[in-house]
Formats: sequence, structure tokens, C-alpha cells
Amino acid sequence: KAGVTQTPRYLIKTRGQQVTLSCSPISGHRSVSWYQQTPGQGLQFLFEYFSETQRNKGNFPGRFSGRQFSNSRSEMNVSTLELGDSALYLCASSLSSGPPYEQYFGPGTRLTVT
Amino acid sequence: GQQVMQIPQYQHVQEGEDFTTYCNSSTTLSNIQWYKQRPGGHPVFLIQLVKSGEVKKQKRLTFQFGEAKKNSSLHITATQTTDVGTYFCAGNAGGTSYGKLTFGQGTILTVHP
Repeated sequence: KAGVTQTPRYLIKTRGQQVTLSCSPISGHRSVSWYQQTPGQGLQFLFEYFSETQRNKGNFPGRFSGRQFSNSRSEMNVSTLELGDSALYLCASSLSSGPPYEQYFGPGTRLTVT
Repeated sequence: GQQVMQIPQYQHVQEGEDFTTYCNSSTTLSNIQWYKQRPGGHPVFLIQLVKSGEVKKQKRLTFQFGEAKKNSSLHITATQTTDVGTYFCAGNAGGTSYGKLTFGQGTILTVHP
């Protein structure tokens, strides 16, 4: 099976702009979770989507949003970018049909905000 | 909200020495998962522990889940240079929250040959 794919892999944006990141889960996986990874804060949960519905949400401002499509692909959007949004954004998919609940991570999108 | 603390932050060992990282949650967990992230890579699932007091082994790696389901540890016997990376524990509250993992800060393991 192909793994989780994320596009783009690298992105440079200017403060105030918005950005959309894409994630394609492993075939058959219906749950997609997004995480932000920074040296200072580590891995922080953004949100999780299951069957096109946001099922869990982390403690991030409303500038961070996401959605999931009927084929389970997911996108996350960050509006009005701030310098502090520079991070590695990881998405992870899981079967979500019962234990074990391990998540399979994609390679991430490295976002740099200047 | 749920917090997961992990220590130590860094660990430098000589090849062949043992290594242990500890994880403690502020709340009782449904399960705890361990991930490894190599430099420049992404987290890769190692194992999941579900039962109170559970112990699981994977070759040189031993994972434990505490009786109260609030703490866990990962022990590596006789480290090798291939063990280099950051080890994360991740707590899961279960139920409809099993898509949400709360990660510890990670332990960065360096192995000197």
C-alpha cells in the first residue's frame, strides 16, 4: 500500500498570506489527523477528521481550519500567516475502525513564513 | 487539558549501553503509543499499550504501561547506532478521541560508536 502523502513538501509564504496544505491518507483509512511540529512546542494536535466531519480539535486559533473530502483526502488551511506558524505540518491517517489505533504519518509539509 | 511529560529530553549513550525514557500523563489514558522519529523524518509507530501493567517486547525494546494507566516507559537494551532518533510517547484518551494523540516532548537519543 502507498503511504500517506502530503503536498507540497516545502512552502515559503509571507506574513499575512494564507496557505492550503493537502494530505492523502492510506487507502481505506478514514481518519485524518493534523499536527504541528516545532522545536519549541513539539508535536501538537490540530484537528482530526473522520467521514468529512471534524471529530476532534486542538487548541489552535480559528486561523487554522481543515476539511475532509468524500475520498478521505484532507486539506488544512492557515489564514493570515504569522511568523510563529513556521513549522513542520504532519498529517496522519488511521483505520479508525477499532484498536490498534496507531497513526501513520506522512512526510510533512515544511512551512516557512517570512 | 491532558498533558504528557517525557524525560529525559536528551540522552547520550555509548553503543552497547542501555537507554530508558519515561512518560507521565496528567490524566488516565485509554492507551499509550510510542513513536520514533529519525532526524529529518516523520514519526513512525512502534507500539501501542492498552492494558494496565502491560509489558511488551520488540527485540531489544521493552515497553511498559503503568498500573494506573498514567505512566509508561521504553527501555532499549544494548543500544546500536541505528537506534538514533527521537522517541515520543503519545497518550490517547480513547472513545471518540482516539484520533487525537497528546505527545510528550520526546527524548532525543544519541548513540556514540
